Amino acid sequence: AQSVTQLDSQVPVFEEAPVELRCNYSSSVSVYLFWYVQYPNQGLQLLLKYLSGSTLVKGINGFEAEFNKSQTSFHLRKPSVHISDTAEYFCAVSVLNQAGTALIFGKGTTLSVSS
Amino acid sequence: DTAVSQTPKYLVTQMGNDKSIKCEQNLGHDTMYWYKQDSKKFLKIMFSYNNKELIINETVPNRFSPKSPDKAHLNLHINSLELGDSAVYFCASGGSSSYNSPLHFGNGTRLTVT
Repeated sequence: AQSVTQLDSQVPVFEEAPVELRCNYSSSVSVYLFWYVQYPNQGLQLLLKYLSGSTLVKGINGFEAEFNKSQTSFHLRKPSVHISDTAEYFCAVSVLNQAGTALIFGKGTTLSVSS
Repeated sequence: DTAVSQTPKYLVTQMGNDKSIKCEQNLGHDTMYWYKQDSKKFLKIMFSYNNKELIINETVPNRFSPKSPDKAHLNLHINSLELGDSAVYFCASGGSSSYNSPLHFGNGTRLTVT
């Protein structure tokens, strides 16, 4: 069964520092991977997605992620964070089974950016 | 021109009451979902509908009953509310190939049961 593990529940960083949010997945079939961001009291917004092709995926707000099949990872990175990047970040894998399709989410990583 | 809209945004009610949350999407998507986010921010799928047909029904108490009058709407009715139902409920929609297309989420309904 597909699953997603976000290795860090909280990541505190200073403004303008680089950040990496780690995500590992398990799947026995082809995967489609996503990163979503949730700002306080809001819904989830898509940051980026990996479907196929280039393993380096660029998203919105300067974020990028690299799909690594051998390490079953899809880590999210940003070279220089802003205060406004403070939010909850979710890694997700798309699941297709007899019951239909759904996104399975990791438990989330809280990114806290301070000055 | 909100893509996925939920109402109400906040819902405070007492144990034992029945309540409904409404969801509408104007993206033309075939598939709609309900997710529950608990106090630890964990997101778990509850239901999915494709063209008004129930596709996914996770282990959810039968007090929860989704209803899809048409493919643009997916409402969630909850009977006999319990304290443990307190959470944020998110509606989402996806395209017909939603396996490899992202989901679009509403802004959530924060349900508080007292």
